[in-house]
Amino acid sequence: GENVEQHPSTLSVQEGDSAVIKCTYSDSASNYFPWYKQELGKRPQLIIDIRSNVGEKKDQRIAVTLNKTAKHFSLHITETQPEDSAVYFCAASRGGNQFYFGTGTSLTVIP
Amino acid sequence: EPEVTQTPSHQVTQMGQEVILRCVPISNHLYFYWYRQILGQKVEFLVSFYNNEISEKSEIFDDQFSVERPDGSNFTLKIRSTKLEDSAMYFCASSVFRDRGFGELFFGEGSRLTVL
Repeated sequence: GENVEQHPSTLSVQEGDSAVIKCTYSDSASNYFPWYKQELGKRPQLIIDIRSNVGEKKDQRIAVTLNKTAKHFSLHITETQPEDSAVYFCAASRGGNQFYFGTGTSLTVIP
Repeated sequence: EPEVTQTPSHQVTQMGQEVILRCVPISNHLYFYWYRQILGQKVEFLVSFYNNEISEKSEIFDDQFSVERPDGSNFTLKIRSTKLEDSAMYFCASSVFRDRGFGELFFGEGSRLTVL
């Protein structure tokens, strides 16, 4: 089955700096890569996703890049704000039912 | 905005007891899921459900687990005889497929199960 690795497990940045979280996957058939944000005590929520026919996608301060050859994808958050502090999970899917999640990155933005 | 709701938010049970976790998916969604998250670990897939039957399940979802959609709105996860290692946060999720099978997962707030 698919194996998704995520790094780093914790990340602290100063407010205004950028944050980058990286994931690798093992199944070359995976073609959909969402990112979820989970604030403390709350449910995971989708923040951005990318499909395998696209190399990069941007939504305001958040961007995701995908390298299919190397089987890795990354989340980039620019101009970080304290409200970006949360746990971020990457996931990979073949476009069917099963989503494989990474181990999560706890991001702390220091004011 | 429609949400996935789960009950109970927290359940404490004795080892060997049966537990039922309940979920109400978003009403127009077609696929339903259970995931679990052991404290500090990754979110793990348990099972997906479509058209009143299991469509995929993981190795974690053994004979002790079952799912049911008893009445067209609720979606339940039953653990027949709980073990200590079943202690985790259980998330229900639902999705509606669009664009050739890609669908956002909408998660509930989770049910924390503690097995003593």
